[in-house]
Amino acid sequence: DTAVSQTPKYLVTQMGNDKSIKCEQNLGHDTMYWYKQDSKKFLKIMFSYNNKELIINETVPNRFSPKSPDKAHLNLHINSLELGDSAVYFCASTPTSGGTDTQYFGPGTRLTVL
Amino acid sequence: DAKTTQPPSMDCAEGRAANLPCNHSTISGNEYVYWYRQIHSQGPQYIIHGLKNNETNEMASLIITEDRKSSTLILPHATLRDTAVYYCIVRVTGQTGANNLFFGTGTRLTVIP
Repeated sequence: DTAVSQTPKYLVTQMGNDKSIKCEQNLGHDTMYWYKQDSKKFLKIMFSYNNKELIINETVPNRFSPKSPDKAHLNLHINSLELGDSAVYFCASTPTSGGTDTQYFGPGTRLTVL
Repeated sequence: DAKTTQPPSMDCAEGRAANLPCNHSTISGNEYVYWYRQIHSQGPQYIIHGLKNNETNEMASLIITEDRKSSTLILPHATLRDTAVYYCIVRVTGQTGANNLFFGTGTRLTVIP
């Protein structure tokens, strides 16, 4: 069973569209994250949620809106997609929001904006 | 979080030990050293972490210098499946909301048959 899963794995869309990426973890963790890995392979934190509440927003444009319906899910909705949004998006989770917790990453969603 | 410096790439012969260095000269006393790796097209995978003492687990060993300004990740018997980008990360822990990781450029390790 996959610990952290993401859907879809690949997403190709036109500029200006609105799309969502879903993430689910079955580890019972309290904290979930979204990271973006751009074409230069830099992996950057975007958001962090602890028990459905936002605790980190790393100056991401407000076109990106994470939603956490419960602590096992953290979805990422993106409005008015732009070319620069093309990247691989990784979801991750940890047991808590502090301490030395290991982060468990999902397989990634490759978003291509045309 | 402190900045880390790693060589961009390294090669290692299959079956030999791979020693990946990391400099973190501005590390603070409460910052841990973490190592993750990313195999092509997959999500990052945790390897090991430590504060001051050397650490060993089933995947690797972590050697931290006494002044904590550098560390070395050791894969004792590298296999082809260890080919990946290895990230050295230092971060403060124990603070709510401080669990995010800042990834640098990492070291691309290529294990050669």
